[in-house]
Amino acid sequence: AQKVTQAQTEISVVEKEDVTLDCVYETRDTTYYLFWYKQPPSGELVFLIRRNSFDEQNEISGRYSWNFQKSTSSFNFTITASQVVDSAVYFCALYPYNFNKFYFGSGTKLNVKP
Amino acid sequence: DGGITQSPKYLFRKEGQNVTLSCEQNLNHDAMYWYRQDPGQGLRLIYYSQIVNDFQKGDIAEGYSVSREKKESFPLTVTSAQKNPTAFYLCASSISTPLAFGGTDTQYFGPGTRLTVL
Repeated sequence: AQKVTQAQTEISVVEKEDVTLDCVYETRDTTYYLFWYKQPPSGELVFLIRRNSFDEQNEISGRYSWNFQKSTSSFNFTITASQVVDSAVYFCALYPYNFNKFYFGSGTKLNVKP
Repeated sequence: DGGITQSPKYLFRKEGQNVTLSCEQNLNHDAMYWYRQDPGQGLRLIYYSQIVNDFQKGDIAEGYSVSREKKESFPLTVTSAQKNPTAFYLCASSISTPLAFGGTDTQYFGPGTRLTVL
């Protein structure tokens, strides 16, 4: 089965706290891509990152970092020193090469309070 | 500026009416997609098109129809057969689909259309 699980429905933090959003995926494909998108209140999904299954290097972009671990089928997203502008719904998505479609998780709503 | 536009932003429909949601992109992308998002849920694929004059059903195509007469445009019609059409509809595009070019490419999304049935 191809599936993405984001077990955290909603998370609330206070500004400047670090927060990690979990993503666990299932696929039988050995070639696949993983994505994170941000959906602010305006509704549009904003692309954040794409990784392929052969590249397990962690990535850092400013306050954002991603931890890809094939051994646990996880692709977690950490925001360091969170800000109010980070408040949004975050989606993790899987693209198995042989299935020709995206599988989205149900999203994690992040509330960052001042 | 390149991007994806969707119109209208808000749409109200009476029961029994068909409505068409517009999606236009000027990114020169071959592939286009329609998703439906319900409150508190993820995205579900309605239809997608890899190339002009061709499209395929997604997971929840019943009650919807599409056309792809131009590369830039992929309108979605919500028909009266769709029993619960109130939702947020997102259009996306990508350079290509994996089978055509041996890899995938990122999907970029439009701002969405919120459809409400009265």
